[in-house]
Amino acid sequence: DTAVSQTPKYLVTQMGNDKSIKCEQNLGHDTMYWYKQDSKKFLKIMFSYNNKELIINETVPNRFSPKSPDKAHLNLHINSLELGDSAVYFCASSQFGLAGREQYFGPGTRLTVT
Amino acid sequence: DQQVKQNSPSLSVQEGRISILNCDYTNSMFDYFLWYKKYPAEGPTFLISISSIKDKNEDGRFTVFLNKSAKHLSLHIVPSQPGDSAVYFCAASVGSNYKLTFGKGTLLTVNP
Repeated sequence: DTAVSQTPKYLVTQMGNDKSIKCEQNLGHDTMYWYKQDSKKFLKIMFSYNNKELIINETVPNRFSPKSPDKAHLNLHINSLELGDSAVYFCASSQFGLAGREQYFGPGTRLTVT
Repeated sequence: DQQVKQNSPSLSVQEGRISILNCDYTNSMFDYFLWYKKYPAEGPTFLISISSIKDKNEDGRFTVFLNKSAKHLSLHIVPSQPGDSAVYFCAASVGSNYKLTFGKGTLLTVNP
């Protein structure tokens, strides 16, 4: 019973295409995140939604647009894909307000832009 | 600008011995620290955390130590097991801002 799931796990596409990655969590959390792990292995936050409201928006090209239809889902749409978008994208969730600030991660989506 | 640094890209230890993974930070506003473990082709898994009001937190074989004056934390794994072989990430956050800032990770290899 997967807590945070992402689809697809692998995505290979050409430059200029538009693609989406989906994320779902069944932990009952109210906050979800998108992280990017680039070729240098750094995990960097991109966006965060709390109760469907955008609360963190790092310096990310506006070709990236997150959408949260409900608390359990956070999707990432990427327009006009570029070579530099190749990375592993991780979704995560947490419960805002708890004493701990642990975030629970999905398995990742490896995006390759050719 | 790396606010969380893990200066050892890799560490190799023998099974049964202690593994010590280190992490340094530069932002004095960080008040909560976490360690994650990551296996290949999987997402990071939460291991243990510590608040800045403590200097030690223990959970089974895992202990995290925090030295605020040195802006340094470490993760001790005792005894180390081959299944502990993974990349370990240190992360930090500030107050109610739940943004996690991660280090680059340290690859731990535990040899049987």
